[in-house]
Amino acid sequence: NAGVTQTPKFQVLKTGQSMTLQCAQDMNHNSMYWYRQDPGMGLRLIYYSASEGTTDKGEVPNGYNVSRLNKREFSLRLESAAPSQTSVYFCASSEAGGPLQPQHFGDGTRLSIL
Amino acid sequence: AQSVTQLDSHVSVSEGTPVLLRCNYSSSYSPSLFWYVQHPNKGLQLLLKYTSAATLVKGINGFEAEFKKSETSFHLTKPSAHMSDAAEYFCVVRGGSNDYKLSFGAGTTVTVRA
Repeated sequence: NAGVTQTPKFQVLKTGQSMTLQCAQDMNHNSMYWYRQDPGMGLRLIYYSASEGTTDKGEVPNGYNVSRLNKREFSLRLESAAPSQTSVYFCASSEAGGPLQPQHFGDGTRLSIL
Repeated sequence: AQSVTQLDSHVSVSEGTPVLLRCNYSSSYSPSLFWYVQHPNKGLQLLLKYTSAATLVKGINGFEAEFKKSETSFHLTKPSAHMSDAAEYFCVVRGGSNDYKLSFGAGTTVTVRA
């Protein structure tokens, strides 16, 4: 079972370059999420998509854009990368809404911006 | 708004001894609470969840957690640590008017000594 697949796993960018992180899930989940993980800060929500065709901002959306391409895929774009965006990025998915549904995570994309 | 505080950033135990990871939460609503584990270079895996049913929740790999409303706590325990339990653990709360957002604690790193 693939679950949540993120590509690429590692990437190094120069300041000002653009980049799209890809995420796909095969569990037929309605909701998808993008987080960033920084040391000592847990995970912080960047954007989420409650269902196909909708996206909303999370805690730290500045400098990012997202696209919910279809039910399976949810991409995260950095238009002009900055060193402060060096982080590990996680995509997650869950069944539609409600407090009972846990989120399933991919293995992460490790992004360094020089 | 909801939040979680993990009281220990690092816990070190000997193999075969009990593990206790402490978590306090704050929520304006009846919360849903989760514990996730993250092994090195991996995504987060759900250990267990509390969703207002039994206050003692059993999870995978011998872990359990007890929800105590009077103390606003959701501590994670395991009777006997195994080397494979070395990882980072996150306490997570989900609640409030927007069910899609999770609030993560900063994480507790567990080291297991042989």
